[in-house]
Amino acid sequence: EIVMTQSPATLSVSPGERATLSCRASQSVSSNLAWYQQKPGQAPRLLIYGASTRATGIPARFSGSGSGTEFTLTISSLQSEDFAVYYCQQYNNWPLYTFGQGTKLEIK
Amino acid sequence: QLQLQESGPGLVKPSETLSLTCTVSGGSISSSSYYWGWIRQPPGKGLEWIGSIYYSGSTYYNPSLKSRVTISVDTSKNQFSLKLSSVTAADTAVYYCASHYGDDAFDIWGQGTMVTVSS
Repeated sequence: EIVMTQSPATLSVSPGERATLSCRASQSVSSNLAWYQQKPGQAPRLLIYGASTRATGIPARFSGSGSGTEFTLTISSLQSEDFAVYYCQQYNNWPLYTFGQGTKLEIK
Repeated sequence: QLQLQESGPGLVKPSETLSLTCTVSGGSISSSSYYWGWIRQPPGKGLEWIGSIYYSGSTYYNPSLKSRVTISVDTSKNQFSLKLSSVTAADTAVYYCASHYGDDAFDIWGQGTMVTVSS
């Protein structure tokens, strides 16, 4: 099983600033990496797939990068609605999908 | 626009079988290359993929749950279902259904349904 490790567990950032979230895979997942945003009481929402492609309707301030085992989600100029929990997920090892444990992005 | 909606009991007794259904609207569950999956999230914790099914009936399960999980599809009703047997308190979670195109990310999610295992 590919283990996905996200860091940090909690990230405190001020509105308008940049946030950088990390995800590491225990073995290469190529570019088969997705990022999701989850707000309290809501289902996760797909933000990024293919490590760097924004899903439909996702603002340009969200960007993804990386390949292999190291990945980054960057949110430039944080808006109030961006404070949430973010999960990475690998789908390279189909049919066994695994998620990271999540990073909580909170207001500083 | 594709939408998914989970339904089923919110309370299940220990050792019994959890049964949930996901109804697909705005599209056909028989769409080529689309898979239909179940993911769960215990309170305050992260996401765990349970398994997925193709409209043909081909199933794919998380090995950690495989012995207790059955996912089935009913194309006539545009629904797919989850059964999880011999449940314990550890199976208490929000259960989501979601779609994915081939071996890709989950693009559409249902709103989720909370299932509590308790006597």
